[in-house]
Amino acid sequence: GDSVTQMEGPVTLSEEAFLTINCTYTATGYPSLFWYVQYPGEGLQLLLKATKADDKGSNKGFEATYRKETTSFHLEKGSVQVSDSAVYFCALTADRGSTLGRLYFGRGTQLTVWP
Amino acid sequence: GAGVSQSPRYKVAKRGQDVALRCDPISGHVSLFWYQQALGQGPEFLTYFQNEAQLDKSGLPSDRFFAERPEGSVSTLKIQRTQQEDSAVYLCASSLAVTSGYYNEQFFGPGTRLTVL
Repeated sequence: GDSVTQMEGPVTLSEEAFLTINCTYTATGYPSLFWYVQYPGEGLQLLLKATKADDKGSNKGFEATYRKETTSFHLEKGSVQVSDSAVYFCALTADRGSTLGRLYFGRGTQLTVWP
Repeated sequence: GAGVSQSPRYKVAKRGQDVALRCDPISGHVSLFWYQQALGQGPEFLTYFQNEAQLDKSGLPSDRFFAERPEGSVSTLKIQRTQQEDSAVYLCASSLAVTSGYYNEQFFGPGTRLTVL
């Protein structure tokens, strides 16, 4: 079945450091891919998405490119800030079939950024 | 409304008790989803409604779990005879209609943290 494998954390960085969080997926067809973020005390929020191969999703300085050949959707940011400290989840959804609509999540990566 | 709301935010139950968790979706959102998030894990799908119809309940872990959305708006997730392994955060999300080939963003509520003693 469909699944997401996400880099284990926690990840601790200094402010302005470069961030990569790895995510790979298993799915049939052409899923849509997402990164969700959960800030302390808040609900899950969509950070960025990509709906087809080679699409690049971007938001708030974060980027991820849908790579079908490597079944990957790695999250990157060139210069992290203390306010980026949160838990990041990679997720996918099928584009058709009996599981249409449901999101499959990775286990999450805790990011802590120190000043 | 401003967003998806859930109540209660926290619930402590003794093992064997029944609990009911409520979700108020964003007005106009026909699709509603329930997810279970165990500590240190990502959310896992439980069930999905389109209006009042429960189209997928394959993620419900046992027949002690039951969800309803009788008027196509508010939804209730009920857990009967709670067990310690039911302790988790229960998330509700809503979206515009689920459509093949197009993704409508799911908006999540803050969750209900259930602790079973």
